[in-house]
Amino acid sequence: DTEVTQTPKHLVMGMTNKKSLKCEQHMGHRAMYWYKQKAKKPPELMFVYSYEKLSINESVPSRFSPECPNSSLLNLHLHALQPEDSALYLCASSTRRTEGNTIYFGEGSWLTVV
Amino acid sequence: AQKVTQAQTEISVVEKEDVTLDCVYETRDTTYYLFWYKQPPSGELVFLIRRNSFDEQNEISGRYSWNFQKSTSSFNFTITASQVVDSAVYFCALSDLNSGAGSYQLTFGKGTKLSVIP
Repeated sequence: DTEVTQTPKHLVMGMTNKKSLKCEQHMGHRAMYWYKQKAKKPPELMFVYSYEKLSINESVPSRFSPECPNSSLLNLHLHALQPEDSALYLCASSTRRTEGNTIYFGEGSWLTVV
Repeated sequence: AQKVTQAQTEISVVEKEDVTLDCVYETRDTTYYLFWYKQPPSGELVFLIRRNSFDEQNEISGRYSWNFQKSTSSFNFTITASQVVDSAVYFCALSDLNSGAGSYQLTFGKGTKLSVIP
């Protein structure tokens, strides 16, 4: 079983709604990630937090707003999304280089924008 | 720039057959990591293996085995005696050694969809 937990598993939202995706890990990892995955495509990196600071933003539209309240939690706030934002959103965390440099993924949140 | 190529888009095999998934990568880094992930229909990306660039030993884990060849920039994955539960999309990925920021960026291949027919 994955040790990266994502909620909710499924989310349907309207284009005017505000919602959030949540991610939690208790493995002591200090880097956390959000990926977006469309059908039949590989995951695409959206954001990276390292030591609770945003270190990478892959030119993601501002309607996606990440937040890292502490070293175990990562949120993705959603507002005014478009139908083309419907996708699987994957959270991940990674070990330090000295611990082998492995990125572990959660089960994902399936988002549908209507 | 890094690149991972999984030339096989879809593969179908009959249960108990062996199957090999190919992965070829490109990188200018001398030190890097290679990964295989399994993604069943439920969506989770399940970590299968990590291999670093200076360790070319092949690895076997149960019915799974991996063949890493630096000379051909390949990291192939073989499932022996395939089972229906092996049906999934398999991604090969390459990681840089980022930064002192302590995070890593994965470059994924496009994935290979494996269907094991009973």
